[in-house]
Amino acid sequence: SAVISQKPSRDICQRGTSLTIQCQVDSQVTMMFWYRQQPGQSLTLIATANQGSEATYESGFVIDKFPISRPNLTFSTLTVSNMSPEDSSIYLCSVEEGVGYTFGSGTRLTVV
Amino acid sequence: AQKVTQAQTEISVVEKEDVTLDCVYETRDTTYYLFWYKQPPSGELVFLIRRNSFDEQNEISGRYSWNFQKSTSSFNFTITASQVVDSAVYFCALSEEGYGGYNKLIFGAGTRLAVHP
Repeated sequence: SAVISQKPSRDICQRGTSLTIQCQVDSQVTMMFWYRQQPGQSLTLIATANQGSEATYESGFVIDKFPISRPNLTFSTLTVSNMSPEDSSIYLCSVEEGVGYTFGSGTRLTVV
Repeated sequence: AQKVTQAQTEISVVEKEDVTLDCVYETRDTTYYLFWYKQPPSGELVFLIRRNSFDEQNEISGRYSWNFQKSTSSFNFTITASQVVDSAVYFCALSEEGYGGYNKLIFGAGTRLAVHP
């Protein structure tokens, strides 16, 4: 199965700043997915990133807050912009494979 | 609308007990996939199983077994002879077709399983 490297693994950020999370896959994939997991909660899909086109955002998520880049078939970034404490969550990237979905190890973000 | 319900928020058992985690789903699709993932305290998501909507056979993998019943829209997960290492949050998920023809996962709220020695 694909191996996903996600960076950083954790960060503590000041409110009002932005953080960019990187996701590198060891094989070419068509779609990459970004999820948010708020403390003690389930995973919620933020957006889907297809190489060469604009990301598709789920209801409640907007590009200005969560801009995504997908420059090639193995890499994507998610930026959390103008952060507030409510953005404190685990952010995970994911790819779809033959039998299921593989997830990165996540980025644990704390906004203070 | 597509939805996954895991009614059990937390379950606590003693080692060697059997435990069943419930999952009920709603979908308008005739073709869909159901998944179980394990999230141990370290935080990573571990894939356990995928089942497609046309295959209602039960599956067993070691101490794990899954019961898929379309008639009740359920996909329950049983751990036999539980161990402390089974302590984790378990998520049931449903894939549905998103915009552009790809599939996306809809997760249940998760069930936190605590296995005590």
